[in-house]
Amino acid sequence: NAGVTQTPKFRILKIGQSMTLQCTQDMNHNYMYWYRQDPGMGLKLIYYSVGAGITDKGEVPNGYNVSRSTTEDFPLRLELAAPSQTSVYFCASSSPERERETQYFGPGTRLLVL
Amino acid sequence: GESVGLHLPTLSVQEGDNSIINCAYSNSASDYFIWYKQESGKGPQFIIDIRSNMDKRQGQRVTVLLNKTVKHLSLQIAATQPGDSAVYFCAENPYNFNKFYFGSGTKLNVKP
Repeated sequence: NAGVTQTPKFRILKIGQSMTLQCTQDMNHNYMYWYRQDPGMGLKLIYYSVGAGITDKGEVPNGYNVSRSTTEDFPLRLELAAPSQTSVYFCASSSPERERETQYFGPGTRLLVL
Repeated sequence: GESVGLHLPTLSVQEGDNSIINCAYSNSASDYFIWYKQESGKGPQFIIDIRSNMDKRQGQRVTVLLNKTVKHLSLQIAATQPGDSAVYFCAENPYNFNKFYFGSGTKLNVKP
């Protein structure tokens, strides 16, 4: 299994541009998450999904959109990029097993908005 | 949001010594906690978890202690190795099965 994969690894955007961060998992996990991590800080939850067709907001959803058309994919959309969205973005997935509610993280996408 | 914080932003230890990383949480209703390790340029990696009905849980070279009275969590790493150098995060799952709240992290430096 590849686990959780994210593309691209790094991207530079101009203010006002849009882009989609891709996330795919091959573990058949129902739950998927998007986090952002600012320098020297912990992770903040942007959006999450408990299954295909279901998404919900996290702590910091403003400026982002998500969709979940399949179990495997959970793309994150930035419509009008702003410098405040410069961050590292992590996608994660988990299976809601009672004994092991851990999240598996992808390698991250580093985004710079200039 | 929930408050999950760490007492020490940076911890330096000698190789072979034991390391203790601390974490405070604010929500007494939290019933599940995870410690993650994040190496430079990588995503967080699960280390160990503990539920609120336990005070202690041991893994391979790692032990997590939970003190619910003072809402404090610690991660102990035995015989710290250079490969343990990373940022360590605690994460709290208060009452929503789907959401975790992360602390800001502690950077562990292991000196040879």
